Amino acid sequence: AQKITQTQPGMFVQEKEAVTLDCTYDTSDQSYGLFWYKQPSSGEMIFLIYQGSYDEQNATEGRYSLNFQKARKSANLVISASQLGDSAMYFCAMNPESNRLAFGKGNQVVVIP
Amino acid sequence: DGGITQSPKYLFRKEGQNVTLSCEQNLTHDAMFWYRQDPGQGLRLIYYSQIVNDFQKGDIAEGYSVSREKKESFPLTVTSAQKNPTAFYLCASSITVGRGTNTEAFFGQGTRLTVV
Repeated sequence: AQKITQTQPGMFVQEKEAVTLDCTYDTSDQSYGLFWYKQPSSGEMIFLIYQGSYDEQNATEGRYSLNFQKARKSANLVISASQLGDSAMYFCAMNPESNRLAFGKGNQVVVIP
Repeated sequence: DGGITQSPKYLFRKEGQNVTLSCEQNLTHDAMFWYRQDPGQGLRLIYYSQIVNDFQKGDIAEGYSVSREKKESFPLTVTSAQKNPTAFYLCASSITVGRGTNTEAFFGQGTRLTVV
């Protein structure tokens, strides 16, 4: 089965600064999708960004960008210009050829004014 | 509005009782998923289904059962065999457009189950 690794401890980020959240994955599939989700304290899961394994360009969605390094099996999320509302848990997920969508353990981010 | 509805939001269960968590979607998505989340932890896959009348075990299926009799519904039963059922349960759905090329998963608001 595929494995998604997020190992960073909880992070404090100064408002308006950028933050990078690390995600590495392990799969033997050639075709797969990578996702990042945000989970605030309310518990809802909010989709942020998607990267397909065959996409040559790194995905961007507003203040979110995904630094995709296929050879290193890395899909780091970059949040630019952090806002107080960005304080949340962030999850990396991968959808392999089996369509068995799996998540990492998450990164806690706290934005401080 | 289209979306995924989980009910109830909070559920209390006595030890030894089975309980069923509801998940309904009107997005016409083929794939549906159930995840369990423990405090401070990630999401662990319990069961998933790609089409009606078919489903597969995830990583922690023991003590749980599901059915997929209709495309829009994917209820999860937490049985008395589940030793530690207190957790936050999330249901999700997505469009299956090909192997490894699903769109993002849409989530319900979750059900917080507590065994008393």
